[in-house]
Amino acid sequence: DTEVTQTPKHLVMGMTNKKSLKCEQHMGHRAMYWYKQKAKKPPELMFVYSYEKLSINESVPSRFSPECPNSSLLNLHLHALQPEDSALYLCASSQALASGYNEQFFGPGTRLTVL
Amino acid sequence: GQSLEQPSEVTAVEGAIVQINCTYQTSGFYGLSWYQQHDGGAPTFLSYNGLDGLEETGRFSSFLSRSDSYGYLLLQELQMKDSASYFCAVRDQGDTGRRALTFGSGTRLQVQP
Repeated sequence: DTEVTQTPKHLVMGMTNKKSLKCEQHMGHRAMYWYKQKAKKPPELMFVYSYEKLSINESVPSRFSPECPNSSLLNLHLHALQPEDSALYLCASSQALASGYNEQFFGPGTRLTVL
Repeated sequence: GQSLEQPSEVTAVEGAIVQINCTYQTSGFYGLSWYQQHDGGAPTFLSYNGLDGLEETGRFSSFLSRSDSYGYLLLQELQMKDSASYFCAVRDQGDTGRRALTFGSGTRLQVQP
């Protein structure tokens, strides 16, 4: 199984809502990532978990809250988002967060629209 | 910090060869990767260069020159399905010692019949 799954595929939420994005992988990878991607732009790193511990937070606003319940799951909790947070949210995983070759496997993404 | 530059758009015809260049500025360089992303899809890994030289994978090849902080992706025998965005990405030490990927701005390849 070389797949990263993400749910939901699409999400529309109001600025006062609380929602969560979910990501799952069963490749035994120990590094998992959240990226945000705007149209015609590259993926921007948000968070990295390494061995279920938050390793990197790219100064993301606190209205985004990541969680790694176990080595296969990664969540992104959303609260009080702004319309400019509308984007494609991509989850990825890799064997480890290390130097050198470390292919990342991306999920299909969640298309988020904030009204 | 780190920065990568690549052309924003390239157009080529089916069967042709196209080269997408990438120049980078990083600290603590740990390799250059290439990812492909079709419209509405997820990025998928194409190749990685950790050392200088050419890596070949089927119709795709990637080259790295660490002394020039430069690499390229070469796509041969272009097919319509190769129309996509191509991102170079570096793994580097960064300002905080992190070793995650930073992506270039992407090159949109349009293959015409």
